Amino acid sequence: DAGVIQSPRHEVTEMGQEVTLRCKPISGHDYLFWYRQTMMRGLELLIYFNNNVPIDDSGMPEDRFSAKMPNASFSTLKIQPSEPRDSAVYFCASSLGAQPQHFGDGTRLSIL
Amino acid sequence: TQLLEQSPQFLSIQEGENLTVYCNSSSVFSSLQWYRQEPGEGPVLLVTVVTGGEVKKLKRLTFQFGDARKDSSLHITAAQPGDTGLYLCAGARDNYGQNFVFGPGTRLSVLP
Repeated sequence: DAGVIQSPRHEVTEMGQEVTLRCKPISGHDYLFWYRQTMMRGLELLIYFNNNVPIDDSGMPEDRFSAKMPNASFSTLKIQPSEPRDSAVYFCASSLGAQPQHFGDGTRLSIL
Repeated sequence: TQLLEQSPQFLSIQEGENLTVYCNSSSVFSSLQWYRQEPGEGPVLLVTVVTGGEVKKLKRLTFQFGDARKDSSLHITAAQPGDTGLYLCAGARDNYGQNFVFGPGTRLSVLP
């Protein structure tokens, strides 16, 4: 079975550019989570969806961040405009139930 | 301040040794999860514990949930180099996905 698939695996871009991260959850899972991981702050929940509906976006750092889930098999996390402090590894996870069970391998984002 | 504290932060041991890592909080959790994360990959769920005092075994790994559901431990017997990684605990304070938080992790290195 395919796990959670994230793309791209690596993204390097200049400050001010728009960044779009993509996630395909495991088929049949009803929850999708976006996390950010840094050495300083560890794993932080940004937003999660239940049945494609955003439930809690209180972890989204500011208005530059937005996330969508147009259908059960696809989600995006967008940063516009990007800043160097957004550099981190971004993970998507999906699950049956409210605790994240399966993580993707992440997108390593570097903003120059 | 972290809602979940993990200790030790770093641990380096020789193959064949036993070890215990800890996850502590002042809050009560409805469930607690342990994950292992290897470099360049997402966290992998190892176990979920839900009952105070519960003990679960996964081959050489033994997980215990404290009686008061505020703490947990992970014991590894006869550690192997393949056990190397970042061990994360995470807790849910309710059953609806709210307030699900990760600890900062214990980075384990098992030397051959």
